Amino acid sequence: TQLLEQSPQFLSIQEGENLTVYCNSSSVFSSLQWYRQEPGEGPVLLVTVVTGGEVKKLKRLTFQFGDARKDSSLHITAAQPGDTGLYLCAGPRAGNQFYFGTGTSLTVIP
Amino acid sequence: ETGVTQTPRHLVMGMTNKKSLKCEQHLGHNAMYWYKQSAKKPLELMFVYNFKEQTENNSVPSRFSPECPNSSHLFLHLHTLQPEDSALYLCASSQDILSNEQFFGPGTRLTVL
Repeated sequence: TQLLEQSPQFLSIQEGENLTVYCNSSSVFSSLQWYRQEPGEGPVLLVTVVTGGEVKKLKRLTFQFGDARKDSSLHITAAQPGDTGLYLCAGPRAGNQFYFGTGTSLTVIP
Repeated sequence: ETGVTQTPRHLVMGMTNKKSLKCEQHLGHNAMYWYKQSAKKPLELMFVYNFKEQTENNSVPSRFSPECPNSSHLFLHLHTLQPEDSALYLCASSQDILSNEQFFGPGTRLTVL
């Protein structure tokens, strides 16, 4: 059983389409982070959400933290090939370490 | 370029070999981490070092041996590995272990034959 479940596991869309990926847990987190990992690279932090219901925007990416702080979503508007990568969510655990989800692998086809 | 470099980027080794992975950070951070990333599994934290002292060992088999000679360098010594140890090994650093932001290196893709 994974503490952080991400869905879908794989997503392949055409350039210009919109998409939403999800990160869900049965546990409450004080914050959640989203990372993007491009092929051949390590994960890069995109955003940290800390308040229940919080919405953060990063250009075409919109991140939302659930009211109960158990889930988060990432919405991408007008996806571009450069958005291709593995999107990971992560939440803190004891000792300032992080649980990571299994990720959503996104492919944007030109 | 995140300021964290890892060498080698790819490594193939036999089960009886001894090899080492190297990580170097140029960010002035004080905490460094080793993670294992396997297909279809979440990132697994292996070791944590804070100011050169190991603060976490997440039940990692002794065939993996970390070394942190200073705050900028981290090694992972490998000996008598198993094929299931094949994975992407990621190094990360942060200002300290209380920091929420970790910077990852590109990883070493390890294949154990």
